[in-house]
Amino acid sequence: DTAVSQTPKYLVTQMGNDKSIKCEQNLGHDTMYWYKQDSKKFLKIMFSYNNKELIINETVPNRFSPKSPDKAHLNLHINSLELGDSAVYFCASSLAQNGNTIYFGEGSWLTVV
Amino acid sequence: QQQVKQSPQSLIVQKGGISIINCAYENTAFDYFPWYQQFPGKGPALLIAIRPDVSEKKEGRFTISFNKSAKQFSLHIMDSQPGDSATYFCAASTDGGGADGLTFGKGTHLIIQP
Repeated sequence: DTAVSQTPKYLVTQMGNDKSIKCEQNLGHDTMYWYKQDSKKFLKIMFSYNNKELIINETVPNRFSPKSPDKAHLNLHINSLELGDSAVYFCASSLAQNGNTIYFGEGSWLTVV
Repeated sequence: QQQVKQSPQSLIVQKGGISIINCAYENTAFDYFPWYQQFPGKGPALLIAIRPDVSEKKEGRFTISFNKSAKQFSLHIMDSQPGDSATYFCAASTDGGGADGLTFGKGTHLIIQP
């Protein structure tokens, strides 16, 4: 069973559209994240959710909004997509304790045309 | 502001050789330093991690060396194998797997030649 699963794996969409990426973890973790990996493979945290509360919101445009219906899910909604949003988006999860592993999903490849 | 600097950007090593990847950090509040391995089309996966109270940690062919005073840490892969070919990321955080998440280096693309 996949520990952190995200869908869709591939998404091609036009500029201006609104899209969502779903993420689910079955590890019983209480903290979930969204990371963005750009074309140069640089990984940067976008959001962190702990017990359904947003902990981090880096310098991410407000077109991006995380939604957590429960501890096991953290979805990413993106409005008015732009070309520069093309990237791989990784969902991840961990236990909010010092030194625990952060587990990543396999990524969602978003291409905006 | 790049808080974790990683080098080299790419590395080619012969099979059986030692692969060495270096990282330096700026934030002295960092207290957890993991290395992640990423294969094409996959998410990053934890390889090995160290905390600053030890100077070295070894797991199989993988060793982290940590120098707190210099704010540097490195990954050594002994007896490198073609299956080790991947992108490696060093990372750091202030609270391990907690809410602050991880700050990553820019990655090293490692190729092990047969």
